[in-house]
Amino acid sequence: TQLLEQSPQFLSIQEGENLTVYCNSSSVFSSLQWYRQEPGEGPVLLVTVVTGGEVKKLKRLTFQFGDARKDSSLHITAAQPGDTGLYLCAGARGSQGNLIFGKGTKLSVKP
Amino acid sequence: GEEVAQTPKHLVRGEGQKAKLYCAPIKGHSYVFWYQQVLKNEFKFLISFQNENVFDETGMPKERFSAKCLPNSPCSLEIQATKLEDSAVYFCASSQSLLVGTADRFYSPLHFGNGTRLTVT
Repeated sequence: TQLLEQSPQFLSIQEGENLTVYCNSSSVFSSLQWYRQEPGEGPVLLVTVVTGGEVKKLKRLTFQFGDARKDSSLHITAAQPGDTGLYLCAGARGSQGNLIFGKGTKLSVKP
Repeated sequence: GEEVAQTPKHLVRGEGQKAKLYCAPIKGHSYVFWYQQVLKNEFKFLISFQNENVFDETGMPKERFSAKCLPNSPCSLEIQATKLEDSAVYFCASSQSLLVGTADRFYSPLHFGNGTRLTVT
């Protein structure tokens, strides 16, 4: 059973389009992080959301944490080819220290 | 250093051989995590250290996997008698601390290395 479900698994869009990636769980997380991973590299942290209902913006990326802290979304406005990559959500629970990762959304933005 | 350094980048082992992977965390970071990324991008937690002490080893297959973080040495992950299913990319990540922010919140931004791709043939 996957604790964090990400959807869609794959997304191929044209430059300029908008998209939303979802990260859902039946469990509550104390915080949730979004990472982006490019081929041959490790994931790089984009943002951490902590408070239920929190919205954070990073240029064209908008991250939201659900009110109940069970789900999150990532919205990209006017996607560019440079946004191509694997987007991973990862949840932290309590003080255990290890993050639980979703399986990721592989995004391809075509010029 | 300012980056998590993992070596080697690629490692090929015949089934049954030993494999040893290394990780130098960012200087000043107290926590080290090992993750295994298998096909379809799934990240599986293996083990974490607080300095040289094991913090959480709930993800470690105990029979063939072992890990150490000794003072003044890179951390290591060793697989005895590798199996085909051990083929994966192994990522090391480090973190300055675990608890950041208010008392009832916990989050640990992880800084990942670029991984070691292990291929077992």
